[in-house]
Amino acid sequence: IAGITQAPTSQILAAGRRMTLRCTQDMRHNAMYWYRQDLGLGLRLIHYSNTAGTTGKGEVPDGYSVSRANTDDFPLTLASAVPSQTSVYFCASKRLAGESYNEQFFGPGTRLTVL
Amino acid sequence: QKEVEQNSGPLSVPEGAIASLNCTYSDRGSQSFFWYRQYSGKSPELIMFIYSNGDKEDGRFTAQLNKASQYVSLLIRDSQPSDSATYLCAVNVDSNYQLIWGAGTKLIIKP
Repeated sequence: IAGITQAPTSQILAAGRRMTLRCTQDMRHNAMYWYRQDLGLGLRLIHYSNTAGTTGKGEVPDGYSVSRANTDDFPLTLASAVPSQTSVYFCASKRLAGESYNEQFFGPGTRLTVL
Repeated sequence: QKEVEQNSGPLSVPEGAIASLNCTYSDRGSQSFFWYRQYSGKSPELIMFIYSNGDKEDGRFTAQLNKASQYVSLLIRDSQPSDSATYLCAVNVDSNYQLIWGAGTKLIIKP
């Protein structure tokens, strides 16, 4: 099934623990993004990657890291989780050329609670 | 700082009426504009995008762009209860293909 998958669906995490959120897309999109969504604040970009092997920082990168070893996978790591990282995390992807190059497609999200 | 502003709502509209959602943006260099719909507990999905000044229609949805006034709007005709959702405005502000997002307007269609 074409699209974006994220894992886990939800997670409760103790503060100070390390956590990796997984994101995989099978649409061969060039660009991938990680957002967090908090009530009243909308979507805020954490990190992005325009192509495999490259990554960049978004609006709120502190406390997060990403890697892009191949086209399909874009994991997000919280090295030492803090309660302020409690949020819903969305992974998205986009083709950078072609018919629908401007649409960002979203995964189903991961609800993370840090206690 | 580049910003995208939306009224958080909720905006309550009777079924069958026109719902009007508005969005303003701060960066005059913005190139393209997007409306996404997000149902509660779900991920955003694209409704429409617009690049040029004026109106763009797609079924019951019309996007309107006025670059001089720096606003973009979304009209939903013949509103249905299934249109009840949060509508997110997003603006592409640079060549890095990134979007700046508004916080969203919650729309409620009353039967």
